Amino acid sequence: AQKITQTQPGMFVQEKEAVTLDCTYDTSDPSYGLFWYKQPSSGEMIFLIYQGSYDQQNATEGRYSLNFQKARKSANLVISASQLGDSAMYFCAMREGRGSTLGRLYFGRGTQLTVWP
Amino acid sequence: GAGVSQSPSNKVTEKGKDVELRCDPISGHTALYWYRQRLGQGLEFLIYFQGNSAPDKSGLPSDRFSAERTGESVSTLTIQRTQQEDSAVYLCASSLRGYSNQPQHFGDGTRLSIL
Repeated sequence: AQKITQTQPGMFVQEKEAVTLDCTYDTSDPSYGLFWYKQPSSGEMIFLIYQGSYDQQNATEGRYSLNFQKARKSANLVISASQLGDSAMYFCAMREGRGSTLGRLYFGRGTQLTVWP
Repeated sequence: GAGVSQSPSNKVTEKGKDVELRCDPISGHTALYWYRQRLGQGLEFLIYFQGNSAPDKSGLPSDRFSAERTGESVSTLTIQRTQQEDSAVYLCASSLRGYSNQPQHFGDGTRLSIL
């Protein structure tokens, strides 16, 4: 089973609008962390936001917020007031807190976001 | 520099040759990771180093792949007898500790092309 599922291969949004990128995850570990990364066409991986499994509130970082629904195992990224520079590939990732898999990040296949003027 | 540094940025080699990729983590980061990204795919975990602990090698796809790290400094990923399916971008990341809440900071990667 996939650890991270991103069901939207591509998304389009108009500048200044908000957009939600979907992510669902699968783990039996009660302790885990969820991350979103942005990868522009230049290739670098840029860390955006983190949500811990025990965090009571949704994470926010500037225009980025994470809609964390633990019971549904969902960790959607919300980008408010989209900008042209937000056009990139977005990856959801998870790190489990215990066990032999500690350390690795499991990545989804990504969502290509295009912001149009 | 402040970020993770990888070299070379690009490598083209013939099938069957050995290649060595280098990663210089952020100073003070004890945890170091290697990932592989095939074209149009997400990142695939290869190996994880945390301080002086035994590395987690469970993601290495075959015994042609190996990696070393001396202390908390530079790491090298070696691929022996390269095959065309090894063509990918190899990304290195580091984090302050190996805790699950620490974000991993990535280098720009090495784009490896096997002819």
